[in-house]
Amino acid sequence: DAKTTQPNSMESNEEEPVHLPCNHSTISGTDYIHWYRQLPSQGPEYVIHGLTSNVNNRMASLAIAEDRKSSTLILHRATLRDAAVYYCILEYGNKLVFGAGTILRVKS
Amino acid sequence: DTGVSQDPRHKITKRGQNVTFRCDPISEHNRLYWYRQTLGQGPEFLTYFQNEAQLEKSRLLSDRFSAERPKGSFSTLEIQRTEQGDSAMYLCASSWTRGADTQYFGPGTRLTVL
Repeated sequence: DAKTTQPNSMESNEEEPVHLPCNHSTISGTDYIHWYRQLPSQGPEYVIHGLTSNVNNRMASLAIAEDRKSSTLILHRATLRDAAVYYCILEYGNKLVFGAGTILRVKS
Repeated sequence: DTGVSQDPRHKITKRGQNVTFRCDPISEHNRLYWYRQTLGQGPEFLTYFQNEAQLEKSRLLSDRFSAERPKGSFSTLEIQRTEQGDSAMYLCASSWTRGADTQYFGPGTRLTVL
């Protein structure tokens, strides 16, 4: 299974941008990069995905390195509601292979 | 609400009992997935269906586990002769096979085996 590497935890101040990094050096040419987040006692929530180009949606932006071996999820203005576990995932054979994710703490 | 729903949300059972969980996917989605999540870990893939066909099963899915998706709509996951190690959150997700496989998750069923 294709693997991703993320920091265990990160901390941010409210109203400031957050950059969540992910390394995926074994990515293959057709693997999509997905980001999900999970709040306590809830199912994972889709955030964004991309293949080669940077992507923006109402929740976040995804910056993908030119060699595709790393990506960064950008939350433009963190709020307390963004505190969650963020998972960077490579889609592998019609299934998502989750790692341990990054715990994001947001301080007011 | 037209999201993925799961029932029950919580289940407490005694070791050795059988339990069954239900998942109702987003109506137009043809793929349905089951995952299991233990405390502090990310979800682990168990199995998935495309329409009514079960296309892949993880080696995590022992013979005590069975999943069905009759008529390609809702799905059930049954665990027979539950063990304490089966205690976990069971998550269902659905998707539409078009480009990237973006999966939408339900709230999960929390199973506690005493």
